[in-house]
Amino acid sequence: LAKTTQPISMDSYEGQEVNITCSHNNIATNDYITWYQQFPSQGPRFIIQGYKTKVTNEVASLFIPADRKSSTLSLPRVSLSDTAVYYCLVGDPLSGGYQKVTFGTGTKLQVIP
Amino acid sequence: NAGVTQTPKFQVLKTGQSMTLQCAQDMNHNSMYWYRQDPGMGLRLIYYSASEGTTDKGEVPNGYNVSRLNKREFSLRLESAAPSQTSVYFCASSEALPTGPGLGEQYFGPGTRLTVT
Repeated sequence: LAKTTQPISMDSYEGQEVNITCSHNNIATNDYITWYQQFPSQGPRFIIQGYKTKVTNEVASLFIPADRKSSTLSLPRVSLSDTAVYYCLVGDPLSGGYQKVTFGTGTKLQVIP
Repeated sequence: NAGVTQTPKFQVLKTGQSMTLQCAQDMNHNSMYWYRQDPGMGLRLIYYSASEGTTDKGEVPNGYNVSRLNKREFSLRLESAAPSQTSVYFCASSEALPTGPGLGEQYFGPGTRLTVT
């Protein structure tokens, strides 16, 4: 069971780039890394997913180094509406790990005007 | 297209009472999930259903039962509620259980806030 570690909270000013790092030292060969965003009183929303190197979509980028023991979610030019909790998930359904994947406590990002 | 809907939005139960949380999705997804989220915590998987007619336990299944009524609906039942089950319950769905690479993208409902006194 791959366990993840993230900072509990982060503050950032509007317009800045925010990088949230997740550690997953015991990531397995087939594990993917997935990030979700959750606003208060709402269910989580998928942001991005990757296996190695770099993945980019219209919302964020995900950087994964060669050893895959960590990953960094990058949010460009954050706005107040990006204030939320961000979760990093690691797991491999093929090894039966999916049903035991948990969201952890996440990183609470506060964007300051 | 409503996505994932959950009823009720709020519920207060007394210890020992039973209730069923309802979940429906209109995205023609094969897989559905139930999570609980305790205050200040992340989500924990209770049960999931890979496809119509199948259900499997997640991380915290004790005290719960589920029914995959059809492809659209996945209900969660508390037979004898306990204060430890006070939580926010989220239902989610995905196109398929990601038996291939990746965890897949899950779509979440708005949640049911349950208080057991």
